[in-house]
Amino acid sequence: KNQVEQSPQSLIILEGKNCTLQCNYTVSPFSNLRWYKQDTGRGPVSLTIMTFSENTKSNGRYTATLDADTKQSSLHITASQLSDSASYICVVSASTGGFKTIFGAGTRLFVKA
Amino acid sequence: DTAVSQTPKYLVTQMGNDKSIKCEQNLGHDTMYWYKQDSKKFLKIMFSYNNKELIINETVPNRFSPKSPDKAHLNLHINSLELGDSAVYFCASSHQPGGPQHFGDGTRLSIL
Repeated sequence: KNQVEQSPQSLIILEGKNCTLQCNYTVSPFSNLRWYKQDTGRGPVSLTIMTFSENTKSNGRYTATLDADTKQSSLHITASQLSDSASYICVVSASTGGFKTIFGAGTRLFVKA
Repeated sequence: DTAVSQTPKYLVTQMGNDKSIKCEQNLGHDTMYWYKQDSKKFLKIMFSYNNKELIINETVPNRFSPKSPDKAHLNLHINSLELGDSAVYFCASSHQPGGPQHFGDGTRLSIL
């Protein structure tokens, strides 16, 4: 069964600290993995996208990694800011079935001053 | 310039009514989607259209009917609304199926 599991469910950190969010998936056949940021009351916004051959991708203070062998990904946030408070969603697409897309439940990040 | 716009932003209505949500994208994308996000914030795909043709139709009650008059629009019509339909509905688009998606800001549907 195609699944995407994220951990932790929620996380509280102090401003300026780093954090890492995890994503494990069982989607097959794998096409790509994306991380989205969703602010409260807004739609998700794409942060990174990685295909099978890519194992790291950066977007400013956000760095995503992908291990296609273990089917794991992580999103590392450096020097967190208050504006990083949001839900971070891991999304994996399969390369069949109309590129079926499976969403994780998200990690809710709270950055405190 | 809003890339993916949904209307209305909020929709409050009585159980049993019929309502529509509209979505338009000005990105020139070929693929559009409808998602439902429940109270636990879990996003689930409902439909996907590519070049006005249905390519993904998840297990959704047939009270939900998408309509794509052209590539830039994908509207969602819901008949006989039920309490369980209360959620935030997101429209999204991508250049092609499986590509990075651009989301609208959602339509919050509340059923009384």
